[in-house]
Amino acid sequence: QITLKESGPTLLKPTQTLRLTCTFSGFSLTTSGVGVAWVRQPPGKALDWLALIYGNDVKRYSPSLKTRLTITRDTSKNQVVLTMTNMDPVDTATYYCAHDDPGGFGMDVWGQGTTVTVSS
Amino acid sequence: QSVLTQPPSASGTPGQRVIISCSGSSSNIGSNSAYWYQQLPGTAPKLLIYRSNQRPSGVPDRFSGSKSGTSASLAISGLRSEDEADYYCSAWDDTLSAVVFGGGTKLTVL
Repeated sequence: QITLKESGPTLLKPTQTLRLTCTFSGFSLTTSGVGVAWVRQPPGKALDWLALIYGNDVKRYSPSLKTRLTITRDTSKNQVVLTMTNMDPVDTATYYCAHDDPGGFGMDVWGQGTTVTVSS
Repeated sequence: QSVLTQPPSASGTPGQRVIISCSGSSSNIGSNSAYWYQQLPGTAPKLLIYRSNQRPSGVPDRFSGSKSGTSASLAISGLRSEDEADYYCSAWDDTLSAVVFGGGTKLTVL
């Protein structure tokens, strides 16, 4: 059974850096066809894809946020870390990590999400 | 402005069939699989349809997906009150090298 859980700060000030951790179980992020993605959702708004990392360490980023995002994996801890720099109030959202469908580019199992508020 | 276009709202009465559309382009739905997610209020999204027309185990067969050209559709038959939720489509975009989402459709069961 695949499970994922997000953790990280709930409140940040503008310009600070966000570091979110996704701890997963039920799969290994060590092969090319396996991936973990990050998606966010501002309050009352649509889902917004952020980044994806595969077991062969190939990474993909949202073009609009690419300069601010870094995604890494720690296979010994079964964790994926997303870092977003220069946080702004518009980055206030619920952040989800999800397992990537090996046969496509969709998210087949999602974490519960973690809410991040950016405010001075 | 979302890359994939969905109607903001849809509605139906119990027992009815509702179809939600998702319009894209040749770089996303036209060349890659579509995915559909259901998001109940206050909860994380849940995969409803993968690879355009496949249902994960546990998803009722009242839900079905299809794709034609650069558009995808989600059909819900035998509408039930518990289907009231937000529905999102997504696909990989070859030009952007990123997953793109639709703006979401809020389904109301009257």
